[in-house]
Amino acid sequence: EDQVTQSPEALRLQEGESSSLNCSYTVSGLRGLFWYRQDPGKGPEFLFTLYSAGEEKEKERLKATLTKKESFLHITAPKPEDSATYLCAVQPLLTGGGNKLTFGTGTQLKVEL
Amino acid sequence: DTAVSQTPKYLVTQMGNDKSIKCEQNLGHDTMYWYKQDSKKFLKIMFSYNNKELIINETVPNRFSPKSPDKAHLNLHINSLELGDSAVYFCASSQSNPSGSQTQYFGPGTRLLVL
Repeated sequence: EDQVTQSPEALRLQEGESSSLNCSYTVSGLRGLFWYRQDPGKGPEFLFTLYSAGEEKEKERLKATLTKKESFLHITAPKPEDSATYLCAVQPLLTGGGNKLTFGTGTQLKVEL
Repeated sequence: DTAVSQTPKYLVTQMGNDKSIKCEQNLGHDTMYWYKQDSKKFLKIMFSYNNKELIINETVPNRFSPKSPDKAHLNLHINSLELGDSAVYFCASSQSNPSGSQTQYFGPGTRLLVL
């Protein structure tokens, strides 16, 4: 069974204090690993898809990396508006259809002035 | 220009009632999903439809019945609501891509509270 574990559960940073969020996964063949951002009371917002080990993607202050067992979301010089819950999900290689995402429980990030 | 929309946003009802949640996407996608997010914020897939055909059904009680009148709409009907059904329900959509991954885009959620 596919499994995704995110750590830490919660993270409090000062503005400008860089850090990383971890997503460890087990999956029977990886089709894609996804990062989403979720603000309170809203739906998950797509950030990145990573497909293979060694791949990196960047967007503003965020950079996602992927190995065969985990992914990191690096946040450089965060601002208060980066405060949100960050969700990681995996999509397995499946035959016969189905595009199920298995999510982790998320990391709740709070960036303070 | 809402890509994936859901109605209603909030739903408060009594135990035993029947209720429906509607979802529409204007992205031109051919696959739609229902997810449930519990009080611990864990997001779990319930159903997936591709071109109006059910392709994923994740051991959800048969009190939950999805219906897809066309590929832009996926509704969720829930019979005999129970306290444990209280959660946030998210609709999502994606475009099928046999050779690669499918990015799923989520709606704003429907917050269901069963009293």
